[in-house]
Amino acid sequence: SQKIEQNSEALNIQEGKTATLTCNYTNYSPAYLQWYRQDPGRGPVFLLLIRENEKEKRKERLKVTFDTTLKQSLFHITASQPADSATYLCALGGNAGNMLTFGGGTRLMVKP
Amino acid sequence: GAVVSQHPSRVICKSGTSVKIECRSLDFQATTMFWYRQFPKQSLMLMATSNEGSKATYEQGVEKDKFLINHASLTLSTLTVTSAHPEDSSFYICSARDLAGGGDTQYFGPGTRLTVL
Repeated sequence: SQKIEQNSEALNIQEGKTATLTCNYTNYSPAYLQWYRQDPGRGPVFLLLIRENEKEKRKERLKVTFDTTLKQSLFHITASQPADSATYLCALGGNAGNMLTFGGGTRLMVKP
Repeated sequence: GAVVSQHPSRVICKSGTSVKIECRSLDFQATTMFWYRQFPKQSLMLMATSNEGSKATYEQGVEKDKFLINHASLTLSTLTVTSAHPEDSSFYICSARDLAGGGDTQYFGPGTRLTVL
């Protein structure tokens, strides 16, 4: 069965360090992968989309990699700030209907 | 950027009543909207895909007679939870695809917290 795995344990890092979050998937061939940020009691906010033919994408302090051989995406936040503390969700898409399938999310805590 | 609103943001109702949640795309047209539910500390689970002018497509295990979806215009989709019960208490979130932006990005509403007593 299809599975998307994100580390369910919270990631605690010090302000200024680089946070790296992992998204692994099995039994899936997505055309693209997206990363979202979700704050408590709020809807997800779109951050980045990376397509299957792209290796890496950057946006300000964010960087996403996509390895279709390893079936893995890495999400990096450089020079992390306490305001980056949130839950980060990866989502795979590109199947019929362009539906997104979400991972369970990883909670990031950046300490000052 | 594309903005999606939901109303109400929070609703508390008695068991057996019906609750309607609205999802609007404010600055773009959305032929397709999606409805998700999210339980505490869990991920978003797709309930149904709402298509403007046609019937919604429901995911396996989601009762279409329980969760009525109407997508009457390119900017509005509604989800009605009929005869709500405590187990329907959840966080309901809608999203919409911005076709002008390529169609692959979904923009999410802020969510509706439903509590059924």
